[in-house]
Amino acid sequence: KNEVEQSPQNLTAQEGEFITINCSYSVGISALHWLQQHPGGGIVSLFMLSSGKKKHGRLIATINIQEKHSSLHITASHPRDSAVYICAALNPYSGGGADGLTFGKGTHLIIQP
Amino acid sequence: DVKVTQSSRYLVKRTGEKVFLECVQDMDHENMFWYRQDPGLGLRLIYFSYDVKMKEKGDIPEGYSVSREKKERFSLILESASTNQTSMYLCASSSPTDRMNTEAFFGQGTRLTVV
Repeated sequence: KNEVEQSPQNLTAQEGEFITINCSYSVGISALHWLQQHPGGGIVSLFMLSSGKKKHGRLIATINIQEKHSSLHITASHPRDSAVYICAALNPYSGGGADGLTFGKGTHLIIQP
Repeated sequence: DVKVTQSSRYLVKRTGEKVFLECVQDMDHENMFWYRQDPGLGLRLIYFSYDVKMKEKGDIPEGYSVSREKKERFSLILESASTNQTSMYLCASSSPTDRMNTEAFFGQGTRLTVV
């Protein structure tokens, strides 16, 4: 069973700061998701990546398959980036059932004006 | 715009009631999932389904059952609700057709309180 660890658990920063959230996992994966959950509960998929780097606006996600590690970066952070960020490892199909996700516990980010 | 829709955002039920949480997706996805999310524990898989009428237990199936009669709809059932089932419930769907690029889509969540 994959173990997915995120750090930090909580992060408070000032507007404009560069933010990094880390995610490590214990066994090989097909892909890794970064998810954003705003107060109220709905989850939005930010990225899904299986190698290298992806960028969308001020968000950048990187993954190092050999080191089993991924990072989510936010440049020029803004109060509207305040949310819980969750990484989720997509486990390879085992033959016993549908693909499944193993989630980290999330990073609660607060950006203060 | 693709959608996973959960029938309720907030529910309050009494202990012992039978509770139905409904999830509908419009993406023709084969896989559907039910998770619960609790502080400090993250998201935990309750049940998943990879086809109509098929279901598999996740990590914490006790006290729950599911129904998948149609491809687009996956229902979570609490046969006799208990206070320890107070939680946020999230539904998700994905397609396994391209396993290297299987993206999951989530509903908006149902916050269930059992009193």
